[in-house]
Amino acid sequence: GDSVTQMEGPVTLSEEAFLTINCTYTATGYPSLFWYVQYPGEGLQLLLKATKADDKGSNKGFEATYRKETTSFHLEKGSVQVSDSAVYFCALSKPSGGSNYKLTFGKGTLLTVNP
Amino acid sequence: GAVVSQHPSWVICKSGTSVKIECRSLDFQATTMFWYRQFPKQSLMLMATSNEGSKATYEQGVEKDKFLINHASLTLSTLTVTSAHPEDSSFYICSATILGHYGYTFGSGTRLTVV
Repeated sequence: GDSVTQMEGPVTLSEEAFLTINCTYTATGYPSLFWYVQYPGEGLQLLLKATKADDKGSNKGFEATYRKETTSFHLEKGSVQVSDSAVYFCALSKPSGGSNYKLTFGKGTLLTVNP
Repeated sequence: GAVVSQHPSWVICKSGTSVKIECRSLDFQATTMFWYRQFPKQSLMLMATSNEGSKATYEQGVEKDKFLINHASLTLSTLTVTSAHPEDSSFYICSATILGHYGYTFGSGTRLTVV
């Protein structure tokens, strides 16, 4: 079945450091790819997405490129801030019967940014 | 943008009682809603998918008689945890989407504690 693998955390960085969180996927067909962010005690917020190969999703300084050849969607940010501290989830979406689209999540990566 | 309201944000109940969690799409009609369970420091586990007006589809290992899902309208889905036990304590999150659309909007989650 479909699956998402992302680097295990926790990841601890100093403010203004460069961030990379690796994500690879296994899926047949052409899934859409997402990064979600979860702040403490809250639900998930969509951070960025890409729907086809070579698409780059970007938002709030974060970027990820859909690489079909390496089945990857790594999250990057050039300069992290303390406010970026959260759990980041990589996910894919494909049709799941009756045109429903079901999300498959990675296990999440906890990012802590210290001042 | 699309907003999903989940209520309550936290609830404490006694063992053996039932708890209802509501998930409302505020500014769009959600043909499909998903219910997830999240254990501490873990990823989201999909419990069930519900389409408006039809029975929910439960994931393997999820007891449908214990976790009752109702999706009576295009803007409201409810999850009722029946005869709750301490092991049901968890963070429950709903998400909503529109049929055939790959975008998802998540509720802010409900922290359930069973004592």
